[in-house]
Amino acid sequence: TQLLEQSPQFLSIQEGENLTVYCNSSSVFSSLQWYRQEPGEGPVLLVTVVTGGEVKKLKRLTFQFGDARKDSSLHITAAQPGDTGLYLCAGENYGQNFVFGPGTRLSVLP
Amino acid sequence: NAGVMQNPRHLVRRRGQEARLRCSPMKGHSHVYWYRQLPEEGLKFMVYLQKENIIDESGMPKERFSAEFPKEGPSILRIQQVVRGDSAAYFCASSQVRSDYGYTFGSGTRLTVV
Repeated sequence: TQLLEQSPQFLSIQEGENLTVYCNSSSVFSSLQWYRQEPGEGPVLLVTVVTGGEVKKLKRLTFQFGDARKDSSLHITAAQPGDTGLYLCAGENYGQNFVFGPGTRLSVLP
Repeated sequence: NAGVMQNPRHLVRRRGQEARLRCSPMKGHSHVYWYRQLPEEGLKFMVYLQKENIIDESGMPKERFSAEFPKEGPSILRIQQVVRGDSAAYFCASSQVRSDYGYTFGSGTRLTVV
């Protein structure tokens, strides 16, 4: 069974600070996705990374896929209260169904 | 261009009753996936369906749970004789093809068993 671990589990920071959250596994994934989920809503896809070492930027968010395709990180620059939410990573291994991590719950205080 | 539609948003059932959760995929999407989320946890895969076929139900409990995706109409997740442990948020996602580029999720159905 493939497992994804995410750290930290909870993170509370002030507006304007930078942060990095991590997604780790002992398994190799063909692709990895990051989602953000707000209370009472479904997860919303932020990005998909497929190539080892790949870096993608989405405004203030930077996503990196590890060289060995076993881990990923999400870095947010100058966090804003609107970034508050549950950040989930999900990995797929060559046609298998997505496996989700438990998430990092981020709170950005004004 | 509506997204993935799930209804009801909230469902309360007494122990022993049946729960029926509906999911209408995005237009043009023929692949549907059901996930369950317990409080403070990530999403757990339950079942993957294409029109009229169950492709993978490895995450579905063997008893009381069933899913279908008929030729016409929404996908249905059915839970018979619900128990308190079934209380969770149930999310449906859809995709146009069997894709490894991420899913579009609905807003979920929050099932509470009292």
